[in-house]
Amino acid sequence: GNSVTQMEGPVTLSEEAFLTINCTYTATGYPSLFWYVQYPGEGLQLLLKATKADDKGSNKGFEATYRKETTSFHLEKGSVQVSDSAVYFCALRTGGSNYKLTFGKGTLLTVNP
Amino acid sequence: ETGVTQSPTHLIKTRGQQVTLRCSSQSGHNTVSWYQQALGQGPQFIFQYYREEENGRGNFPPRFSGLQFPNYSSELNVNALELDDSALYLCASSPRALRETNTGELFFGEGSRLTVL
Repeated sequence: GNSVTQMEGPVTLSEEAFLTINCTYTATGYPSLFWYVQYPGEGLQLLLKATKADDKGSNKGFEATYRKETTSFHLEKGSVQVSDSAVYFCALRTGGSNYKLTFGKGTLLTVNP
Repeated sequence: ETGVTQSPTHLIKTRGQQVTLRCSSQSGHNTVSWYQQALGQGPQFIFQYYREEENGRGNFPPRFSGLQFPNYSSELNVNALELDDSALYLCASSPRALRETNTGELFFGEGSRLTVL
């Protein structure tokens, strides 16, 4: 079956530090890959996505590249801000019209001023 | 454009009781999914509804059931509540693409936090 493994948190950084959150996956077929973010007290929001190998998703300074050879989709940001403090979820989806997402356990990021 | 709304936001039940959670999908979205997010875990897929029928289900027992109404809103019902049912329940909606694709984005509500005592 499908599964997603994320690096364990929590991750604590100072403002303007570089961020990497590792994500690897196991899937049948050709999945689409997603990063969702959950800010305190809010629902999940799509941060970025990539739908085929070597695609790079990007949004709000965050980037992730779909690496089929290493089955990875690591999230990076060059300079984090306090407002980036949130829980980040890596997720995948396979199949046709089934919108089921398989999520990782999430990584809590705290950015200190 | 109205987003996904869920109610109630918080509720407390005792073991053995039944609960109904409600979700209004985003305007123009006809597919609704429900997820369970236990504390410190990622969301787990419960089931999905399209055109008032269940068309996908995760590894949850039959005491988890749902409905979708003609206006695409949805309910999640859980019978015979157990302590492990305590979680944040998330509803997500999405438009059904004319061509099947796995690239679709889900739009999530803020969730209903259920505590079972």
